[in-house]
Amino acid sequence: DAGVTQSPTHLIKTRGQHVTLRCSPISGHKSVSWYQQVLGQGPQFIFQYYEKEERGRGNFPDRFSARQFPNYSSELNVNALLLGDSALYLCASSLHGETGELFFGEGSRLTVL
Amino acid sequence: GQQLNQSPQSMFIQEGEDVSMNCTSSSIFNTWLWYKQEPGEGPVLLIALYKAGELTSNGRLTAQFGITRKDSFLNISASIPSDVGIYFCAGRNGGSQGNLIFGKGTKLSVKP
Repeated sequence: DAGVTQSPTHLIKTRGQHVTLRCSPISGHKSVSWYQQVLGQGPQFIFQYYEKEERGRGNFPDRFSARQFPNYSSELNVNALLLGDSALYLCASSLHGETGELFFGEGSRLTVL
Repeated sequence: GQQLNQSPQSMFIQEGEDVSMNCTSSSIFNTWLWYKQEPGEGPVLLIALYKAGELTSNGRLTAQFGITRKDSFLNISASIPSDVGIYFCAGRNGGSQGNLIFGKGTKLSVKP
């Protein structure tokens, strides 16, 4: 079975642009979470979706938004990119929303110039 | 954002040595997870802990959920070169969302 898949793997944007990152969870998993990992730090929670509803939101500005589709895949959108948005964006899937293990994809490496 | 206190920050050891690292929090957690991350990859789940006092092994790795529910430990026995990477602890404190709070990681280097 495929693990969590993310696309694109790498991308370069300039300040002020918009980016969309995509994630497909492990088959059968209904919860998707997004995390931001800057160099030298642990991942920071951005959003969690379960059964297409937002279940949690971390301390990120409104420029960050996400959604989950009927097939449980998810998109993370970031508007008006800043240099500080440069990071590895990780998607994680889990069977349930509140408990259990989180399995991460390999991430999307975003560089903002 | 909130992070756990993970130590040590880095370790340089000889192949065959045992390794210990730990994570502490000011808050109580109901789940502790340990991940390993290698360059250019996402974190890979190593061990999950769900009960205070629980001791769980995965091959040469052993992790414990602290009795106070505010800490966790990971031990690696007889280290080998492929153990190199960054090890993260992550805790979940329950509530209506299942987000994890991560430590800053322990970078492990193993000399053959």
